[in-house]
Amino acid sequence: DAKTTQPPSMDCAEGRAANLPCNHSTISGNEYVYWYRQIHSQGPQYIIHGLKNNETNEMASLIITEDRKSSTLILPHATLRDTAVYYCIVRVADAGGTSYGKLTFGQGTILTVHP
Amino acid sequence: DGGITQSPKYLFRKEGQNVTLSCEQNLNHDAMYWYRQDPGQGLRLIYYSQIVNDFQKGDIAEGYSVSREKKESFPLTVTSAQKNPTAFYLCASRLQGADTQYFGPGTRLTVL
Repeated sequence: DAKTTQPPSMDCAEGRAANLPCNHSTISGNEYVYWYRQIHSQGPQYIIHGLKNNETNEMASLIITEDRKSSTLILPHATLRDTAVYYCIVRVADAGGTSYGKLTFGQGTILTVHP
Repeated sequence: DGGITQSPKYLFRKEGQNVTLSCEQNLNHDAMYWYRQDPGQGLRLIYYSQIVNDFQKGDIAEGYSVSREKKESFPLTVTSAQKNPTAFYLCASRLQGADTQYFGPGTRLTVL
């Protein structure tokens, strides 16, 4: 799985958009970008994933650059409850059943949302 | 409610004792995983199981054992052979062919 690079920490004001970057310059053509977050002392929570098109769901938007070497997770209106560690993970999807689903978590970005 | 449960949330054991961590899911997921997390670190895979009665070692399986006798249960035993067992242990499950893993709330094990 490709290595990812994230800033160790970021701050965001409540109600503003939080934009979390991730670099994955060695990503392969069949590797997806996944985002999870972990609130303190809880299990990680899936947020979103994508291959090359931008994706949006009820939690966030994922913007992937055209060359796929970087991506940005956007929380459109951050709240205090969004304070967490955000993990960007790159891996092959399990569509063909060939992957056992292992997730490789780095150290992530600590996002602090303040009033 | 559907989900993954881990018990207990906090567990204390004396050094040299084996301890078993529980993980149960009612999501009808095929695959289950155990991860370990140390302070300030990401998750590391201990064991995983894709179907009942089958499991595979992950990246840090030494000192751990698992069983998968039922689809909904995947207990992890931390043995006395594990040199540094104090950590936060997370269980996850996934529907085969799907991309999303769902995590339990975790068990924080402290060995005294």
